[in-house]
Amino acid sequence: SQTIHQWPATLVQPVGSPLSLECTVEGTSNPNLYWYRQAAGRGLQLLFYSVGIGQISSEVPQNLSASRPQDRQFILSSKKLLLSDSGFYLCAWSGRSGGADYNEQFFGPGTRLTVL
Amino acid sequence: GQSLEQPSEVTAVEGAIVQINCTYQTSGFYGLSWYQQHDGGAPTFLSYNALDGLEETGRFSSFLSRSDSYGYLLLQELQMKDSASYFCAVRPYGGATNKLIFGTGTLLAVQP
Repeated sequence: SQTIHQWPATLVQPVGSPLSLECTVEGTSNPNLYWYRQAAGRGLQLLFYSVGIGQISSEVPQNLSASRPQDRQFILSSKKLLLSDSGFYLCAWSGRSGGADYNEQFFGPGTRLTVL
Repeated sequence: GQSLEQPSEVTAVEGAIVQINCTYQTSGFYGLSWYQQHDGGAPTFLSYNALDGLEETGRFSSFLSRSDSYGYLLLQELQMKDSASYFCAVRPYGGATNKLIFGTGTLLAVQP
């Protein structure tokens, strides 16, 4: 069965510090990968998605970047955090067979980031 | 652009039926999905409507009407554990076909 891991679960960082959040998927090959951010009580904002190693699409211009160094590894980074980067960061994957496979995304447990 | 609107909050009592609406403005999409998210947790997939009509999965049903730009999630025999946020989502035509646009979300509170 497929599983998705994210770490750390919670993180408190000072403004101006760097960030690295990691997401790994097990039990599937060549997945589509996604990074979302969710502010408290709000919806899901798609930040980045990737269809393959080294292929990153950015949805919103921002202070963050993403990388996919391996097929099942997705990393979210920042060189200097801003207060507005606080939120709940979710990684997700979906299959690549088309049809319903694309519509079901599987989410990791998330990282709650607080920037002080 | 695309947007999906949902009521921000809905309250219902245990055992009742509740409908969560999703109205959208999008030029075209493959289907409408629904996700459930408990407080502090990850969203989980509930249902998917590729075609107009009603899809039933146990106590949950989902409906889509493309002509009315409208869909809903119907929860029957409500239980306390159904208290959560619910999001509709579409996969739009054009561009990258593998990303979802999520609605604003509805917080459902089930009361005893």
